[in-house]
Amino acid sequence: GENVEQHPSTLSVQEGDSAVIKCTYSDSASNYFPWYKQELGKRPQLIIDIRSNVGEKKDQRIAVTLNKTAKHFSLHITETQPEDSAVYFCAASRQAGTALIFGKGTTLSVSS
Amino acid sequence: KAGVTQTPRYLIKTRGQQVTLSCSPISGHRSVSWYQQTPGQGLQFLFEYFSETQRNKGNFPGRFSGRQFSNSRSEMNVSTLELGDSALYLCASSGTGTAIEQYFGPGTRLTVT
Repeated sequence: GENVEQHPSTLSVQEGDSAVIKCTYSDSASNYFPWYKQELGKRPQLIIDIRSNVGEKKDQRIAVTLNKTAKHFSLHITETQPEDSAVYFCAASRQAGTALIFGKGTTLSVSS
Repeated sequence: KAGVTQTPRYLIKTRGQQVTLSCSPISGHRSVSWYQQTPGQGLQFLFEYFSETQRNKGNFPGRFSGRQFSNSRSEMNVSTLELGDSALYLCASSGTGTAIEQYFGPGTRLTVT
């Protein structure tokens, strides 16, 4: 079945720096890749997603890139702020709306 | 629109008992997925229902089961609880067509003693 590897497991940056989180997946049939942010004690919230027919997607300070050949995708956060501190999860699925296979998560700490 | 809701929010059970958790999706959403979140294993897929039919199932023992009703509300049941079943159980709903993003509920925190 699908396996999603996520790196790094922890990431500490200074406010204003950029943060990059990388994920690789194993199932070449996966075609939907969302990213979730989970603050302590709260539910995971979808922050951005990308489908396999797109190489890059941006939403203000957040961007996601996808390399289908290498089977990896990345989350880029620019101009980080303390409120970006949270656990970020990548996920993959064969069909949007169905089973999501998650990476283990990255704890991002942004210090001011 | 109201978000995904889950009841109860917290639950304490004893080993060997059974438990039923409930999830109400966003109005109009017909797909409901369930996930187990633990510190050690992260977020793991349990099963997914669409129009009252189980479409996908994760790698969990048969003690974990679920169902979906005609109004898209879903329940999951865990029988013969084990200590290792202590976790946050999250459900997520998604729509159809282009509205396929999954939105999570607040979860049910299950503690097995």
